[in-house]
Amino acid sequence: SQKIEQNSEALNIQEGKTATLTCNYTNYSPAYLQWYRQDPGRGPVFLLLIRENEKEKRKERLKVTFDTTLKQSLFHITASQPADSATYLCALPLSGGYQKVTFGTGTKLQVIP
Amino acid sequence: GAVVSQHPSRVICKSGTSVKIECRSLDFQATTMFWYRQFPKKSLMLMATSNEGSKATYEQGVEKDKFLINHASLTLSTLTVTSAHPEDSSFYICSASLTGGRTEAFFGQGTRLTVV
Repeated sequence: SQKIEQNSEALNIQEGKTATLTCNYTNYSPAYLQWYRQDPGRGPVFLLLIRENEKEKRKERLKVTFDTTLKQSLFHITASQPADSATYLCALPLSGGYQKVTFGTGTKLQVIP
Repeated sequence: GAVVSQHPSRVICKSGTSVKIECRSLDFQATTMFWYRQFPKKSLMLMATSNEGSKATYEQGVEKDKFLINHASLTLSTLTVTSAHPEDSSFYICSASLTGGRTEAFFGQGTRLTVV
C-alpha cells in the first residue's frame, strides 16, 4: 500500500542554520508533491508544490527537491528563524479524486534563538 | 484570495447529541471540499470528499451515517457528527482548492470538538 514517511518527528536547529526535512514515499509514482506548514491548533498553510519533472523549486528562503528515483523530497529552510518553528507536512496526490491528497506524519521544527 | 472559513472553532457537546461544523469558501467557488480529522501529534486523516450537488465520497473505515456531509452550494459544506461520543473528540479541518488545474489546498482554521 502507499506510504508516506517524514523520518524526523522533531527537529531542533539553531537560528541562522539551514533546516532540512525529509519526505519519503513508497509504492507511489506521484505527479507532484506539496509541502505545508501547520501551527498548533490551526489548519495547514500551503507552501510549495513541485512536479515530477522538476528537480528543485525555490521560494524566498525555502527550497524543495524531488527525486523520483529515490522516492524522496527534501525541504530546506535557509537562515532559519524562530518564527519558522512549526510542523511541516508533505502531501501527495491520491488516486480516485482530483485535488485529493494524503499527508505525511509531519516534522515538528523548533528553531532555537 | 482563496480563503476558507470554518465555524465554530471550538465546540463542546454532550454525548449523544449532534454537532454541525460549517466550511465556507469566502472568495471562490469550490465544487469539491475535503474533510480531515487530526488526532494530537498525528497527521491529517482524510475522512471524505464533499461534492457539490451530490453525495460525499467517504474513505475506507469512515462511517457515513455518523459523519454526515452536505455540500448544498458552491461555497458551503457542512459536516455533522451525529450521536457524538467521547471518542469522536478531535480536531476537524476542511479544505478546498481552486479550479483550473490548481492543486494546492486552502484549509479552514479547524474545529476542536470535545464530547463530554
